[in-house]
This record gives sequence, C-alpha cells and structure tokens, in this order.
Amino acid sequence: GAGVSQSPRYKVAKRGQDVALRCDPISGHVSLFWYQQALGQGPEFLTYFQNEAQLDKSGLPSDRFFAERPEGSVSTLKIQRTQQEDSAVYLCASSLEVTGGSVTGELFFGEGSRLTVL
Amino acid sequence: KNQVEQSPQSLIILEGKNCTLQCNYTVSPFSNLRWYKQDTGRGPVSLTIMTFSENTKSNGRYTATLDADTKQSSLHITASQLSDSASYICVVTPEAGTALIFGKGTTLSVSS
Repeated sequence: GAGVSQSPRYKVAKRGQDVALRCDPISGHVSLFWYQQALGQGPEFLTYFQNEAQLDKSGLPSDRFFAERPEGSVSTLKIQRTQQEDSAVYLCASSLEVTGGSVTGELFFGEGSRLTVL
Repeated sequence: KNQVEQSPQSLIILEGKNCTLQCNYTVSPFSNLRWYKQDTGRGPVSLTIMTFSENTKSNGRYTATLDADTKQSSLHITASQLSDSASYICVVTPEAGTALIFGKGTTLSVSS
C-alpha cells in the first residue's frame, strides 16, 4: 500500500483479555518499529525489526508484550492479560534505512491503534 | 529527567502570525534530529531531518535550526494557518541504537 496501515484503529478490552494489533508497513521497508504513546505524551520505543529479525526489544514494558514479524512484512504486537496501564495509542512505523545501527532514513508512521482497557 | 525537553508545552497564536518552538536535548552522541507534526488522532508526519553537522533545514513554511554545541533546536513556523494546529514533536536519534527519543511535544493552536 501507499502508507503504513494499522488495525484495528480502536480496541476496547476488558482487563485480563489478550489483544493483537496489526501493522502493514510500506512495501519494501525492511525496518519496522513499534511505539507506545500515552495520552499527552510523546511516543516511547517498544521494539524494532529488521526484516523478520527482532533486533531490539528493550522497550517492551513487560513479558506480557510480544511482537513478531514472521515473514519480514506484516507485524503483530500482542499484549497478554491486558492491564489498565496498557491503555495507549500503539504506533507502528517503517523505514528504508538503518545505517550502522542508527535510524538514518525517513520514518513513516501509521495512524495508530488506540487501546482502551476497562 | 527527559532527554528531550520541549517548550512551550502549549501555544495559541492568531492565523498569519509566526511562532518558534524550542527543543533542548541531552542525547549524545546523536545521529540526527527530527521534527514531526502530529494531528489529533493521527500518526506523526515528518517535517525535517537534520544531521549533527547541519544548522538549518526548511520545508515550506517550516524552518528548523540546530545548534549541536548548545544542544538546542528550534522550529519556526511562518505565516501560520489554521491547519498548522497540531502537536509538534522533537525527536533525537542516538548515534547507536534504534530507539528514537521523542519529546512530549508542543501543542500549537492557530485561531482565526
């Protein structure tokens, strides 16, 4: 597609439920990022993929968060046993260029998935 | 303490006026500094990217400056329009690692 596509746009979950958020990056972009944005805050890094390899997951807040990108294109962020503090917008971004371990190229964001945990 | 601090937190200006947003950072060494515009309920959209060796970068009515010595950047918006109402986020890319560091943003409201 022309841009980064995320689904669902909105998700309401009861505390304790599992959720799965999907990201379709721009075709040909090898780098894919997940960010968490709480209300009134800037996005915070969760994890990074280069193709199918998860090279950095240092931002995942707990072992309830899991991300995968099995074929190097679509990625899924899964949150198990959701808690109220997980309520946030989850942003996916893709990029063509990561040079020498640093993000040097343009980063394109999706519209985000807004998760509300009741 | 946040590694990327932005000021002011919010700003209201009249349509047609200019404004300048500030970003102070402590990330060092860094690869590049970016400014993003984020409309309510949308994902961030890139305005400018500057490497540590660049001093200024323009994109239409948006001009970003960078002083790597003082670790300060600014975003100047000229002849503001109603559509400029959004959050403007300063982002610093560390030289090593893929975790971009975002500021909290400045919320700009342009009124007629």
